[in-house]
Amino acid sequence: GAVVSQHPSRVICKSGTSVKIECRSLDFQATTMFWYRQFPKQSLMLMATSNEGSKATYEQGVEKDKFLINHASLTLSTLTVTSAHPEDSSFYICSAGGGGVVTQYFGPGTRLTVL
Amino acid sequence: AQSVTQLDSHVSVSEGTPVLLRCNYSSSYSPSLFWYVQHPNKGLQLLLKYTSAATLVKGINGFEAEFKKSETSFHLTKPSAHMSDAAEYFCVVSDPNQAGTALIFGKGTTLSVSS
Repeated sequence: GAVVSQHPSRVICKSGTSVKIECRSLDFQATTMFWYRQFPKQSLMLMATSNEGSKATYEQGVEKDKFLINHASLTLSTLTVTSAHPEDSSFYICSAGGGGVVTQYFGPGTRLTVL
Repeated sequence: AQSVTQLDSHVSVSEGTPVLLRCNYSSSYSPSLFWYVQHPNKGLQLLLKYTSAATLVKGINGFEAEFKKSETSFHLTKPSAHMSDAAEYFCVVSDPNQAGTALIFGKGTTLSVSS
């Protein structure tokens, strides 16, 4: 299957700082990328849908000014958590798909800890 | 709107015995259905998918699932559990008519396998 990478895999930051997470599709062009958030022992919740070259579509309750998403190319999407707070600590997972392909491929996730 | 319900939050089996993880879906059209597995501290891995072809779908690691439209179910089974099967399993639905559509995750079922 296709490979999707995320960087970094783990990040610890101080409250008030911003953190950028990268999601890359390594061997295919992803017209659409999705960002999910997973709290401990819970399911994945969709945060936003990112289409290459256009603004992301955010799910209800997700602050677009806090979670900035950029999808500048067909192989890269970034999620920036701005002014992070401890309640933003979570496991962030991206997936990539599109181009008529139903299957999405998931990145390994990024564990964010805000102190 | 689409949704999935995983009927059991936790399933415990003995090694060598059958596994049954139950999933019911709700959709106004014929959906695409998936089962993903997540091992501790690892990314999501696709086990199998149903996309309107054969109703009995075989996946990796000996897992299979049967799409039953009359029962709106997509239960995951394996004839003989292995210790390495212990993980979190997610039943997932998406709209096959929209390429690059976000996935809707069930709440997950934790599978425990004892020796």
